[in-house]
Order: sequence, then structure tokens, then C-alpha cells
Amino acid sequence: SQQGEEDPQALSIQEGENATMNCSYKTSINNLQWYRQNSGRGLVHLILIRSNEREKHSGRLRVTLDTSKKSSSLLITASRAADTASYFCATSRNSGGSNYKLTFGKGTLLTVNP
Amino acid sequence: NAGVTQTPKFRVLKTGQSMTLLCAQDMNHEYMYWYRQDPGMGLRLIHYSVGEGTTAKGEVPDGYNVSRLKKQNFLLGLESAAPSQTSVYFCASFPTPYGELFFGEGSRLTVL
Repeated sequence: SQQGEEDPQALSIQEGENATMNCSYKTSINNLQWYRQNSGRGLVHLILIRSNEREKHSGRLRVTLDTSKKSSSLLITASRAADTASYFCATSRNSGGSNYKLTFGKGTLLTVNP
Repeated sequence: NAGVTQTPKFRVLKTGQSMTLLCAQDMNHEYMYWYRQDPGMGLRLIHYSVGEGTTAKGEVPDGYNVSRLKKQNFLLGLESAAPSQTSVYFCASFPTPYGELFFGEGSRLTVL
């Protein structure tokens, strides 16, 4: 079963608006990461937040992490048409020894309309 | 510096045929992963490797084998392809368990 689940599955907004996506997970983690995937392309790393951090910023991106609720949110401010993509959260956890697994959710498809 | 390169990018197989997907990274990363991506399913981990000569099973390993004979290469094999293995396959690598993944552009496989 997948560790992370994004919500909503799809989000459509107008250019200039903010977009918020949520991710919930089931077990304890080392860190949580957000990735972006343009149609037909590979995934690109956006931001990583460690389990002892609560909030992190990178440009127009803001990520929060609530380990008590096992949830994270990604906020994209002042969205642009070029932000149209699928966004995935991934959780990193130790599965024993040097074995680390990064498991992904099913993603949120964001459409930003010009 | 090419990053993570996957070959081939596209392939069509008939049921029962075999093939190997090659993932090569030039960043000296220890960790390499193979995922498959299907519509509505996100990315699911097939197999992974934490260093040269090591491999481990992920969430959906059945029907696949892997080898990591050289640190820079991670091979994914299908011994007897089935239509259920039609998917887009992504390879990824990262240097430490606490860092970001670097992805290849994907290999689209169709099994008829």
C-alpha cells in the first residue's frame, strides 16, 4: 500500500490564485518531499522537509509538516500557467539497516488557467 | 553531466518476450530505485539498491528482476512480459537516504 495520499486528486484555479495540496501518510518518517511532474516527463524535486521541521519555504512554495497528524501541505502562491503539472508527495522511512524507501502518493493534478 | 539516463525510452513487446531496461547515473550515487507509474496509481516501487552488488524488493517486485553489478548502472529485467506490465518505468538515484531523488525521463513499455 502507498504511504502518502494527496488531496485533492485534481485542482483547477485561475492564474494569480494560490494552490494548496495536502498529503497524509501512515507511519513515522525521516523526511517528506514534494515533486512535480510535467506531462510525459520525469519527476523533479521541489522541496524537502525533515521530520523535526514544521515549515519550509522555497520561492513561491511553502511546505508545512504536522507529524502529530501525519500530514503535510504544499502551498503555491501567485500561481502561473506554467505551474500546471502533477504534484506528488513522497515519504522517506527506514525499513531496516541501510534500507530506505521513498514511497509516493497518487498525486494532485493542478491546472492553472490563464 | 547527464544525470540519470534511461534506455530505451519506448518499447513494444509481445507477451512472453523478455527485455532489459538500463538506468545509468553519473553522479556517483549509492541509492538507485526503479518505479512504475500507472494512471491513477502514482509511482510504485519495484526494486531498489542501496549500493553496488545489493538489491531489495519494493512494493510490486513480482515479474521483475534487477542487478547492480556496477555502481553507476541499475538494470531492470522482465523475463516473460505480461500485458499487466504495460507501464511507464522511472529510474531514480540519490546520494544519501536523506536527500532528494533524481529521476530519469522514463521508459514507456507496452506489452501486447
